[in-house]
Amino acid sequence: AQSVSQHNHHVILSEAASLELGCNYSYGGTVNLFWYVQYPGQHLQLLLKYFSGDPLVKGIKGFEAEFIKSKFSFNLRKPSVQWSDTAEYFCAVPFTGGGNKLTFGTGTQLKVEL
Amino acid sequence: GAVVSQHPSWVICKSGTSVKIECRSLDFQATTMFWYRQFPKQSLMLMATSNEGSKATYEQGVEKDKFLINHASLTLSTLTVTSAHPEDSSFYICSAPIASGGSYNEQFFGPGTRLTVL
Repeated sequence: AQSVSQHNHHVILSEAASLELGCNYSYGGTVNLFWYVQYPGQHLQLLLKYFSGDPLVKGIKGFEAEFIKSKFSFNLRKPSVQWSDTAEYFCAVPFTGGGNKLTFGTGTQLKVEL
Repeated sequence: GAVVSQHPSWVICKSGTSVKIECRSLDFQATTMFWYRQFPKQSLMLMATSNEGSKATYEQGVEKDKFLINHASLTLSTLTVTSAHPEDSSFYICSAPIASGGSYNEQFFGPGTRLTVL
């Protein structure tokens, strides 16, 4: 079964610092990958997704992620974070066999300080 | 964008009582909805798939008699936690997919319901 792991559980950055959050997946076949964000008190929102094609995916709010098949990774990046990026970030993959069900990573709590 | 609502947003109940949580797709129809559970500082764990017009399908380890799911219409799914106990205290989140024509349909998530069982 597909699974994802996130290595950074808590990250604290100053505004304007660069961000990279790690995500590794376990499945070696066709891979669909997602990053979701959960702002404080709000629902999960899709940041970006990778299905196929260009391995560098651009998302909302200046986020991007790069799919590196050889490393089984899909790390999330942002060149310059803002205080409003404070949130929890989840990497996710669909269940093996499809059906639109998702398996989530453990999440990374990002705090951006002014 | 598509909106999914949940009601209530939080609920406190006594041990042994049952609690019903509603999940609604406000501006689209959803033949399928998903129920997740999120423990503090942990990830979302899929509990079950709610299917309009048929029985829900539960993930391994989830008690179907404990967590009753009813997909009453194309816009409403309910999760009832029966005979709730303190260990059922958690954050329950639903989601609904919208067909996109591809191999995977994007899911839209509700804001979650915080259940506290005393």
